[in-house]
Amino acid sequence: GAVVSQHPSRVICKSGTSVKIECRSLDFQATTMFWYRQFPKKSLMLMATSNEGSKATYEQGVEKDKFLINHASLTLSTLTVTSAHPEDSSFYICSARDSGGLVSYEQYFGPGTRLTVT
Amino acid sequence: KQEVTQIPAALSVPEGENLVLNCSFTDSAIYNLQWFRQDPGKGLTSLLLIQSSQREQTSGRLNASLDKSSGRSTLYIAASQPGDSATYLCAGQGGATNKLIFGTGTLLAVQP
Repeated sequence: GAVVSQHPSRVICKSGTSVKIECRSLDFQATTMFWYRQFPKKSLMLMATSNEGSKATYEQGVEKDKFLINHASLTLSTLTVTSAHPEDSSFYICSARDSGGLVSYEQYFGPGTRLTVT
Repeated sequence: KQEVTQIPAALSVPEGENLVLNCSFTDSAIYNLQWFRQDPGKGLTSLLLIQSSQREQTSGRLNASLDKSSGRSTLYIAASQPGDSATYLCAGQGGATNKLIFGTGTLLAVQP
């Protein structure tokens, strides 16, 4: 149980275009999801906390107008990278917290999405 | 502000050796400490989660300990295998923000 999927797994886009990444909890409901970014050979950096039905909370230094987050249902959160530039190229990973789990704070991670902006 | 660091940054050992990975955190007010494995280009696999009331957790050849007072956690891998080669990340959750803060990672290579 506790599976989180991400789509797409890889995406290549041209500079100036927008890209949407989906994060789904497949077998549980998640009122809270998290979006992380990982540069090559670096650790994960939390970008934002996504709460179902409300606005996301962004970490310091993360542009909310650049990285649009929508959490419209208990099983789906989306991250849209708007007007992407080559410096946005990175590995994006989401995680979800099981709302009904016994361990309420445990996060389950998706497989990640590799974004390359040319 | 919670900061998590891991030592060493990289480690290479021959197959069969026992090894210890270290994780230190600055804020002792954590709910839990979690160890993950990440293979190249892949997502995270949760290995062990230690709640703040616990001192250690074991799963197979893996044993993780937590010492909140000293701000340290260790991941012990017994009888290492080439398949254990990966990046190992520790992450602390809790304190004022209740967020998961990741360490810098240890890149482990187990030589056959």
